Amino acid sequence: QVQLVQSGAEVKKPGSSVKVSCKASGGTFSSYAISWVRQAPGQGLEWMGGIIPIFGTANYAQKFQGRVTITADESTSTAYMELSSLRSEDTAVYYCARGSDTAMVLDWFDPWGQGTLVTVSS
Amino acid sequence: AIRMTQSPSSFSASTGDRVTITCRASQGISSYLAWYQQKPGKAPKLLIYAASTLQSGVPSRFSGSGSGTDFTLTISCLQSEDFATYYCQQYYSYPPAFGQGTRLEIK
Repeated sequence: QVQLVQSGAEVKKPGSSVKVSCKASGGTFSSYAISWVRQAPGQGLEWMGGIIPIFGTANYAQKFQGRVTITADESTSTAYMELSSLRSEDTAVYYCARGSDTAMVLDWFDPWGQGTLVTVSS
Repeated sequence: AIRMTQSPSSFSASTGDRVTITCRASQGISSYLAWYQQKPGKAPKLLIYAASTLQSGVPSRFSGSGSGTDFTLTISCLQSEDFATYYCQQYYSYPPAFGQGTRLEIK
């Protein structure tokens, strides 16, 4: 049973960057898409982008294009999401989630990581 | 981009009730729809994919139906552990999009 474990909470200054990791264990990593979804306090779920590690090319939501970079390291079964030019509105819980076995980013998501709270504050 | 709209946004029900949540897509998405349950402080949990396929391990009191633009999630007999927020998600076209959520509270 695959499990996704994310890095710990972060506090960042406006204008800085944050990099969150998502390590997979207990299953195949490279051929399954990993997406990143965020949830602002008290709000809904927002897809940011995703990657299929074996292909290495990421797809991004237009809203985050130019500000987010999603990468994957097959050797450590770890995916990363880096968000730059942080502002207070980026304060949220960031989740990684795996796609099904169709090797597509456009997919349903299961399982999910436990979430990483990123707080942007001066 | 496809917009997903859920109704109601919140409502109250009692254990044992049968409840239905509706999700509408701004354009046709065939059956490319998933449903999730989220409890406070926890990650979402997949309940249903392909509009009506129950994820392994999910109780059979959950069911999904619909295709095209209109979808429903039904809980046949509410249990105490079902009080949570529910989200639909389309994966027909980029970007994958979620509904705004339906909060199910205890009456």
